[in-house]
Amino acid sequence: DAGVIQSPRHEVTEMGQEVTLRCKPISGHDYLFWYRQTMMRGLELLIYFNNNVPIDDSGMPEDRFSAKMPNASFSTLKIQPSEPRDSAVYFCASSARDRNTGELFFGEGSRLTVL
Amino acid sequence: AQTVTQSQPEMSVQEAETVTLSCTYDTSESDYYLFWYKQPPSRQMILVIRQEAYKQQNATENRFSVNFQKAAKSFSLKISDSQLGDAAMYFCAYRILAGGTSYGKLTFGQGTILTVHP
Repeated sequence: DAGVIQSPRHEVTEMGQEVTLRCKPISGHDYLFWYRQTMMRGLELLIYFNNNVPIDDSGMPEDRFSAKMPNASFSTLKIQPSEPRDSAVYFCASSARDRNTGELFFGEGSRLTVL
Repeated sequence: AQTVTQSQPEMSVQEAETVTLSCTYDTSESDYYLFWYKQPPSRQMILVIRQEAYKQQNATENRFSVNFQKAAKSFSLKISDSQLGDAAMYFCAYRILAGGTSYGKLTFGQGTILTVHP
């Protein structure tokens, strides 16, 4: 079974541009998470979904960030307009509501650089 | 709010020796998971070991074991016979399994960079 798939792997853009990061979770998983990783702040949970419904978006930094999950196999994280301080690695992860594991499976991350 | 604290930003160990990474967490819940994830330079997040809070027995996975002290809210990772490939950033993580609006939420600690010397 394929793992969590994120695209793009790398994105370089200029300040003010719109950025869209994409994620395809593992089939059958009903939880999806978006994390941001920076040297200064570590791994921050931005938002997570259960059955396509946002459960907690308290980590979304500001209105410039938005996330959607239109169906069980796809999610997007959008930044509009982007700023240099948004430069980070963005991880998507998914998990199943399974008491036997509880683990999150991570994608390889999308490295965003905003100039 | 649930928090996870890793008080050691960096640790080092000689190859074949043993090292212990510390983690404490704060929660009022009784039902949760604890994890240690490894992130090598490739940045891929890899699960090292998991512990269910309701289990008293400490989890082990080959050279990796944990010391889970529920009352003290402590969850340390011991790596025995350290290998060069163990060099990575290690993250402690806590996942809520109790009911409520935060069910399923997973929170990471700040991470510990482990260096393994040959």
